[in-house]
Amino acid sequence: GAVVSQHPSRVICKSGTSVKIECRSLDFQATTMFWYRQFPKKSLMLMATSNEGSKATYEQGVEKDKFLINHASLTLSTLTVTSAHPEDSSFYICSARKYLETQYFGPGTRLLVL
Amino acid sequence: DAKTTQPPSMDCAEGRAANLPCNHSTISGNEYVYWYRQIHSQGPQYIIHGLKNNETNEMASLIITEDRKSSTLILPHATLRDTAVYYCIVRVAGNFGNEKLTFGTGTRLTIIP
Repeated sequence: GAVVSQHPSRVICKSGTSVKIECRSLDFQATTMFWYRQFPKKSLMLMATSNEGSKATYEQGVEKDKFLINHASLTLSTLTVTSAHPEDSSFYICSARKYLETQYFGPGTRLLVL
Repeated sequence: DAKTTQPPSMDCAEGRAANLPCNHSTISGNEYVYWYRQIHSQGPQYIIHGLKNNETNEMASLIITEDRKSSTLILPHATLRDTAVYYCIVRVAGNFGNEKLTFGTGTRLTIIP
């Protein structure tokens, strides 16, 4: 299957700072990338969908000004958690897919906000 | 997308076949059945998908009933590394490329040595 990477794998930051997470499709060009969040012992919740060169579409209840998504190229999407607070601590996972094909997931980024 | 129902947990002996059921009684004719699994603290891993015919790949087999209202994922010779949460997801394909995957609670499969 296709390979999707995320960086960093783990990040600890202070409350009020911003954190950027990168998602890359390593061996294919992704027309669409998705960002998910997962709290402990819970299932994945979709946050937003982004197409290369377009604005992201956010799920209901997800603040677009707090979770900034940029999909500047067919192999890179970034999620920036702005002014992070302890309640934003979670496991953030991206996925990527070519048009009409299967979604492949990254390994996830564990964010801890102190 | 159609909802799915899976048992919350299952055990399987190492070396035996693991059969994971999924009910999707409200599935539409243009919805595929996808299976992913998530090993602890990792991103989900794609396993297999199908529309109406049975499918097999190097990881697993997918058996879809004739009425498409349920399916079974089969791991033919389960190993300890197959311990994970398995998600059955149905989704429409061909919808301009923005098809979302909606994750339920899945089945926590534990392989017993």
